[in-house]
Amino acid sequence: SQQGEEDPQALSIQEGENATMNCSYKTSINNLQWYRQNSGRGLVHLILIRSNEREKHSGRLRVTLDTSKKSSSLLITASRAADTASYFCATWDERGKLIFGQGTELSVKP
Amino acid sequence: GAGVSQSPSNKVTEKGKDVELRCDPISGHTALYWYRQSLGQGLEFLIYFQGNSAPDKSGLPSDRFSAERTGGSVSTLTIQRTQQEDSAVYLCASSSLGLAEETQYFGPGTRLLVL
Repeated sequence: SQQGEEDPQALSIQEGENATMNCSYKTSINNLQWYRQNSGRGLVHLILIRSNEREKHSGRLRVTLDTSKKSSSLLITASRAADTASYFCATWDERGKLIFGQGTELSVKP
Repeated sequence: GAGVSQSPSNKVTEKGKDVELRCDPISGHTALYWYRQSLGQGLEFLIYFQGNSAPDKSGLPSDRFSAERTGGSVSTLTIQRTQQEDSAVYLCASSSLGLAEETQYFGPGTRLLVL
């Protein structure tokens, strides 16, 4: 079963708006990563947040982590059409494998 | 330096045929991973190579799937007697040391369509 699951599955917004995606996971983690995928191709690593961190920023990205709720959120501020992509959270399972969620498909309309 | 590369970009084959997918990891990376992504789904782990250690094949869905890594660099994923359900994007990733929880760098993927 998936370690991480994203919500919503799809999100459509206008350029300039903020986009928030949520991820839930099942087991204890040391850290959680967010990846971006364009057009069903290779994934690009966006940001990693450790279990002892509550919030992390990188440019227009803001990631939060709530280990008590086993959830994380990715916020993209002032979205652009170029942000249109699928976004995945990923965690490591007990055997050291990277497990991905189903992803959120973000569409930013100009 | 160059990133992870994969070939071919796209592959269309007939049911029952064998296919080979190639991955060139980032130079010097000791760990290499193969994943499969079906339409609209997340990534499914297939196999993991770390240096000279025996590969972790626990994610391979059937014995029709196999992979090898020659000289600790290039890897080939082979699917024998392809089935329509094998249609997916096959992604390769590498990481520097293969340590637990190390960032993985992904290639562009091979889109496989089995008719």
